[in-house]
Amino acid sequence: DVKVTQSSRYLVKRTGEKVFLECVQDMDHENMFWYRQDPGLGLRLIYFSYDVKMKEKGDIPEGYSVSREKKERFSLILESASTNQTSMYLCASSLVRDTDMSGYTFGSGTRLTVV
Amino acid sequence: LAKTTQPISMDSYEGQEVNITCSHNNIATNDYITWYQQFPSQGPRFIIQGYKTKVTNEVASLFIPADRKSSTLSLPRVSLSDTAVYYCLVGDKASGGSYIPTFGRGTSLIVHP
Repeated sequence: DVKVTQSSRYLVKRTGEKVFLECVQDMDHENMFWYRQDPGLGLRLIYFSYDVKMKEKGDIPEGYSVSREKKERFSLILESASTNQTSMYLCASSLVRDTDMSGYTFGSGTRLTVV
Repeated sequence: LAKTTQPISMDSYEGQEVNITCSHNNIATNDYITWYQQFPSQGPRFIIQGYKTKVTNEVASLFIPADRKSSTLSLPRVSLSDTAVYYCLVGDKASGGSYIPTFGRGTSLIVHP
């Protein structure tokens, strides 16, 4: 089974801090994604990457950046954390990027609280 | 323009059959229809996918009419453990032309004893 591991289950950070959320997958998947999930808003795509050093903005990239230096690792960076970035963050990976949407594997999520 | 529309929430009782319908009026010819399930405090996981007619697996059935503008996820004899959010996905192209998974708000199913 593909495993997607997010380094922290819970994080508490202060406003203005630089925050790194790490995600690692172990099945040589090309594609990786970062989502945030908020009550009533569902999952919203922040950034995604189809290759090392490649990144593309999703629906809500403002206030975030990403890094993909190695194929298996995709990091989400909050340059200066704000309270409105308090949320559940989910990482996903997949092998293909066509109309077959069955192969997305998610991590368990990181619940970030910014105080 | 939203790719899919599904009810925000549904309630059911143990042992009942639950049907969740998703509308996707602008589905493209080569799009699959895919459903994911998310339990609390977990990431979504794939449950079923189809292109047309009916698909059945050990978890659910998926009914797709001939025009493919909607689909219905059917969960037979639900139990408390089926309480989850269910997402319907069809193809969504990013600006670069590749497909990305757009999950939206999903349908929150609560199963009561």
